[in-house]
Amino acid sequence: QVQLQESGPGLVKPSQTLSLTCTVSGGSISSGDYYWSWIRQPPGKGLEWIGYIYYSGSTYYNPSLKSRVTISVDTSKNQFSLKLSSVTAADTAVYYCARVGYSYGYALPWGQGTLVTVSS
Amino acid sequence: EIVLTQSPGTLSLSPGERATLSCRASQSVSSSYLAWYQQKPGQAPRLLIYGASSRATGIPDRFSGSGSGTDFTLTISRLEPEDFAVYYCQQYGSLFGGGTKVEIK
Repeated sequence: QVQLQESGPGLVKPSQTLSLTCTVSGGSISSGDYYWSWIRQPPGKGLEWIGYIYYSGSTYYNPSLKSRVTISVDTSKNQFSLKLSSVTAADTAVYYCARVGYSYGYALPWGQGTLVTVSS
Repeated sequence: EIVLTQSPGTLSLSPGERATLSCRASQSVSSSYLAWYQQKPGQAPRLLIYGASSRATGIPDRFSGSGSGTDFTLTISRLEPEDFAVYYCQQYGSLFGGGTKVEIK
C-alpha cells in the first residue's frame, strides 16, 4: 500500500527557510486521482492545512501562509517538497505530508510527521 | 474563505455514553467534501468519515457522520476506551476545524 515519509532538518534558525521532502512509496505520485498535501500541527494545538499540489504542478495554498509557501513535485523521484520562508518560532510544529483523494478530498494515508523547531 | 467551527471544544463523557460532535461551516459545503479524523497523542490523524457519512475502511460502525449544507455531526454511539481522543473535521483536503477533545469524565 502507499506510504509517505517526511524528511528534512529538525532545527531551523529564525528568518531562514524551512525545507521538507515527502517520499511516496508503493504508488506513483503521477496518478491523476490524487493531490499531495502538507499539513502542520504546532505543539498542543490543532491541525493547519498548508497546501497541496497536483502531479502536473498545480498548487493550492492556505491564504494565511501563501506569501511564504512553495510546494513542488519531482515525479522522477516520486517526491514532493515544502519550502516555508522567513520562519519564526510560530512555525515550530509537526509537519505531515498526506495524499488527498481527488474525488472526495479526504487525506489518506498520512506520513508519520516530523517535528521542526525554529530556534537560534 | 470557509471557516469550520467545531463544538464543543471539550466533551467529558464516560465509556458507554453517546458522543455528539458538531462541525459548522461559515458557508455551505458540499457533503461529498466533508471528512472527520481522529487523533491520539503522538500519532498522525486517522480518517474516520468521508463524504460526510461514509465510514473509512476498518472504522467501527459505532462511528457515524451526518449533515449537509453548513451543519455536520459526528456521532459515536457508545464510547469505547480507545475513542477518547481529539476529533477534527476538514473540508476538501484543506481547512480544518479547531477540534473537539473527547475526554474521560
